[in-house]
Amino acid sequence: AQTVTQSQPEMSVQEAETVTLSCTYDTSESDYYLFWYKQPPSRQMILVIRQEAYKQQNATENRFSVNFQKAAKSFSLKISDSQLGDAAMYFCAYRRPAYTGNQFYFGTGTSLTVIP
Amino acid sequence: SQTIHQWPATLVQPVGSPLSLECTVEGTSNPNLYWYRQAAGRGLQLLFYSVGIGQISSEVPQNLSASRPQDRQFILSSKKLLLSDSGFYLCAWSGRGRGEKLFFGSGTQLSVL
Repeated sequence: AQTVTQSQPEMSVQEAETVTLSCTYDTSESDYYLFWYKQPPSRQMILVIRQEAYKQQNATENRFSVNFQKAAKSFSLKISDSQLGDAAMYFCAYRRPAYTGNQFYFGTGTSLTVIP
Repeated sequence: SQTIHQWPATLVQPVGSPLSLECTVEGTSNPNLYWYRQAAGRGLQLLFYSVGIGQISSEVPQNLSASRPQDRQFILSSKKLLLSDSGFYLCAWSGRGRGEKLFFGSGTQLSVL
């Protein structure tokens, strides 16, 4: 199984400020995808952002952006202008190539608190 | 549009009892199907995944089994539950295209007492 590591169990940010969540992964594969998912108190998993390993350009979705460092196997999530609704557990995920079975592996998560 | 149904939402079972959790997907065909477990305060652990009817791959040895009797139906089972089987179980599906995301069900909170 691929290893996905989130070294920050908890993070906090002031409302309207910026926060960065860290994620590293271990792989020898080249054709993979990386994801950030959000799990609010409702426990429903919500896709935040997706990055293809072959694309050097960092993905951006409104206030959410990533810093993808392929050589370092690092995939951090930046949340700008943090809002109260951003409070949730955030999971980094690695999707294996299709020819291997398309497994998704998740990190242990980072609990984000947004302070008003 | 595609939807995923998972039930029940909550389940309390005694140790040693059997388990059957069901998940169905609508609006798509030939999906990849997955079962995850989320223990309290921990991440999502991949338990099983399936790329087709009757094709099940297990990620970790455990007290659970999975079956896919129909294209869009995925079942998680146990003959005898253990205390350590308690947790939040999530069913998910993805398409087969490159980079397709994972769609999750609403989850089942299982408490084994």
